[in-house]
Amino acid sequence: KQEVTQIPAALSVPEGENLVLNCSFTDSAIYNLQWFRQDPGKGLTSLLLIQSSQREQTSGRLNASLDKSSGRSTLYIAASQPGDSATYLCAVDKGGATNKLIFGTGTLLAVQP
Amino acid sequence: DAGITQSPRHKVTETGTPVTLRCHQTENHRYMYWYRQDPGHGLRLIHYSYGVKDTDKGEVSDGYSVSRSKTEDFLLTLESATSSQTSVYFCAISDKGGDSPLHFGNGTRLTVT
Repeated sequence: KQEVTQIPAALSVPEGENLVLNCSFTDSAIYNLQWFRQDPGKGLTSLLLIQSSQREQTSGRLNASLDKSSGRSTLYIAASQPGDSATYLCAVDKGGATNKLIFGTGTLLAVQP
Repeated sequence: DAGITQSPRHKVTETGTPVTLRCHQTENHRYMYWYRQDPGHGLRLIHYSYGVKDTDKGEVSDGYSVSRSKTEDFLLTLESATSSQTSVYFCAISDKGGDSPLHFGNGTRLTVT
């Protein structure tokens, strides 16, 4: 059974710091891996999608990497800002290319001004 | 933002009553999903649809049914609500399954008393 783990569960950093969020999964047979952010009381916002054949994706200050063989992904946030404060979730498509995602429980990020 | 509307946004109901949640999209995306989000469990897939009248079960489908009679609408029905179904329910859509990111609505908070 695919399990997705995110460590740490919570993280607090000062503004301007570069940071890394971690995601691990137990079954390497994935179709894609996706990163989302969730603001309190809101739905999830898609940040990055990495296909299983890719090693990384970038969007602005965000860079996500994927090492499928070791079951790991990282989300790198450069020059963090208070507006980056949110819960960050990773999820894997367990196969079949249907986007039936298995989610981790998230990392709550607080960026202090 | 993806054009996804969930209704109602909040609902309180009594144990044993049927409840229907609605998801409406204006993106003409093929795939639609229902997830529930609970503390300690993260998001879990209830049901999904890969086309009009084409649906399949997710990992927590017991006690739920779905219908999709039009591309734009995906209904989730709790046949006889129980307190364990108190949760936040999210609808999501995807254009090309695992080849495109998942986009989420803002959720429905359901309380079963």
